[in-house]
Amino acid sequence: DADVTQTPRNRITKTGKRIMLECSQTKGHDRMYWYRQDPGLGLRLIYYSFDVKDINKGEISDGYSVSRQAQAKFSLSLESAIPNQTALYFCATSDPRYTGELFFGEGSRLTVL
Amino acid sequence: QKEVEQNSGPLSVPEGAIASLNCTYSDRVSQSFFWYRQYSGKSPELIMSIYSNGDKEDGRFTAQLNKASQYVSLLIRDSQPSDSATYLCAVMDRGSTLGRLYFGRGTQLTVWP
Repeated sequence: DADVTQTPRNRITKTGKRIMLECSQTKGHDRMYWYRQDPGLGLRLIYYSFDVKDINKGEISDGYSVSRQAQAKFSLSLESAIPNQTALYFCATSDPRYTGELFFGEGSRLTVL
Repeated sequence: QKEVEQNSGPLSVPEGAIASLNCTYSDRVSQSFFWYRQYSGKSPELIMSIYSNGDKEDGRFTAQLNKASQYVSLLIRDSQPSDSATYLCAVMDRGSTLGRLYFGRGTQLTVWP
């Protein structure tokens, strides 16, 4: 089983719908991240959390919200999805010593029609 | 906003050749540098990190860092078809407690037999 699990792996939805992407991890890491990847644009940070009570905006947080339900769970929500939020979303974790290594989930491909 | 630029690619080399991937970054406070590899349809994984000027070798991979020129590169010797992937350069600020990485857009490498 993957150490960082994302659900759903693929989702097609319509403009205006609320969508939640979920991430759970068994690595025991405190730090969790949500990234977005678009073709030719690399990885961009949406939100990050260093513990259950700590939530921080990244580079592109507009239109997104997050919830850290537990150390192992970090969810990303799109309150009202729009087509330019069509992308591949990655959850990642890192350990407290943080050496720059991120451990990524398998990704959630979201299509907004 | 930190900028991380990579040679746009795609880069195509024959099996056994040296593949050279380049990355420049925009500011002098960046202190830690990383190369991630991402196979098509998969999540990124860390393959090299470098913190000091000079070369760092790990098997067929060599990372080179020149902070004065704000330049980091990855050389892959004896390239194999299995090296075909997108390579992402990432930088982290000095003493960053935020744990934030800034990623380039990636360079797609194809190694043909």
